Amino acid sequence: LAKTTQPISMDSYEGQEVNITCSHNNIATNDYITWYQQFPSQGPRFIIQGYKTKVTNEVASLFIPADRKSSTLSLPRVSLSDTAVYYCLLLRYNQGGKLIFGQGTELSVKP
Amino acid sequence: DTAVSQTPKYLVTQMGNDKSIKCEQNLGHDTMYWYKQDSKKFLKIMFSYNNKELIINETVPNRFSPKSPDKAHLNLHINSLELGDSAVYFCASSQWDTLKNTGELFFGEGSRLTVL
Repeated sequence: LAKTTQPISMDSYEGQEVNITCSHNNIATNDYITWYQQFPSQGPRFIIQGYKTKVTNEVASLFIPADRKSSTLSLPRVSLSDTAVYYCLLLRYNQGGKLIFGQGTELSVKP
Repeated sequence: DTAVSQTPKYLVTQMGNDKSIKCEQNLGHDTMYWYKQDSKKFLKIMFSYNNKELIINETVPNRFSPKSPDKAHLNLHINSLELGDSAVYFCASSQWDTLKNTGELFFGEGSRLTVL
């Protein structure tokens, strides 16, 4: 599976929009871009998944440019409870759903 | 009502002992996984089972032996525990949706293993 690269950490303040960008230059045609969130002492939790263009759900938006070599997770108006580690991953169906986690981005939201 | 549950949540043991961690999912998923998260927070896949059949084995030492009695359960047995086995072990399950082309993983809350 192609490797993903994202910032190790980010700081933000409550109420701000946070954008976390992930690079995946070697993404394959059948890779889906997936983001997970992990709070301390909990297992990762699925946030959003996309293949191209823009995907939005009740939690976040995912922007994917035409070349798919990067993606941006957008969290609108973050709160203190959004402090967590965010992982960008590539999911490939023929890998049996195997997810390779990178080091993630540690987001710290301050009052 | 927990979707993926694992026991025990905490496990403290001595080097050389044998221990097991159990995992159960009530989501009806066909695929289950074990991940290991070390002190640096890296999550590494260890094993994956699909309908009780081993499909992924990521060069894990032979001391680790997964067992899947049925598709709702995936247990992890560890023999001759070593200091380096100290970590949080996460169980997960998934079901590939061929219409939506998604395969969201649902994780348990983790089992923190400390080897002294």
